[in-house]
Amino acid sequence: AQKVTQAQTEISVVEKEDVTLDCVYETRDTTYYLFWYKQPPSGELVFLIRRNSFDEQNEISGRYSWNFQKSTSSFNFTITASQVVDSAVYFCALSLDSNYQLIWGAGTKLIIKP
Amino acid sequence: EAQVTQNPRYLITVTGKKLTVTCSQNMNHEYMSWYRQDPGLGLRQIYYSMNVEVTDKGDVPEGYKVSRKEKRNFPLILESPSPNQTSLYFCASSFFQQDRGSSYNSPLHFGNGTRLTVT
Repeated sequence: AQKVTQAQTEISVVEKEDVTLDCVYETRDTTYYLFWYKQPPSGELVFLIRRNSFDEQNEISGRYSWNFQKSTSSFNFTITASQVVDSAVYFCALSLDSNYQLIWGAGTKLIIKP
Repeated sequence: EAQVTQNPRYLITVTGKKLTVTCSQNMNHEYMSWYRQDPGLGLRQIYYSMNVEVTDKGDVPEGYKVSRKEKRNFPLILESPSPNQTSLYFCASSFFQQDRGSSYNSPLHFGNGTRLTVT
């Protein structure tokens, strides 16, 4: 069975600290896709990144970086020098090649204190 | 502007009174889906559609209906709403991409959500 686990329900840090959001997935498929979405307090869902299972290169986009490790089935998300505007709920999700459905983690609420 | 439009944003209704939440996308996407979001449970899929006249149940379809008569529209119908359907609902759409022989969804575009309260 497929599953996405975001073990951290809530994280609270002070502004400018680095923070890592964990995502562990389970699947027996060899081709799959991993996603991160952000849901700020305003409620909309915003796509951040997609990673294919055959591409283990880490990704950096400004203060955001993603570490994909197939050996540990993890796709962790790090925010460097966090800012108050980063406060949001972050969702990790898994999509399989065999179908088009997304399996969602429960989300991690990130609170950045000024 | 490319977008998914849901209406209404907020809705308060009473048990048993039929309602429809509309969803429309202007990106010619094949795939559309409805989710509900509840505290601690993340996003759960209600129904999805791979194309016109093709719909399938997601994880929590009970008490909901959908239709896909046109590519752009995917309304969510609650024939007889109950209080346990009080939730935040999202519509989403995407298209299918090909990459190295695999076909998969592009990232989902979400609507702004509909907060439904059933009393």
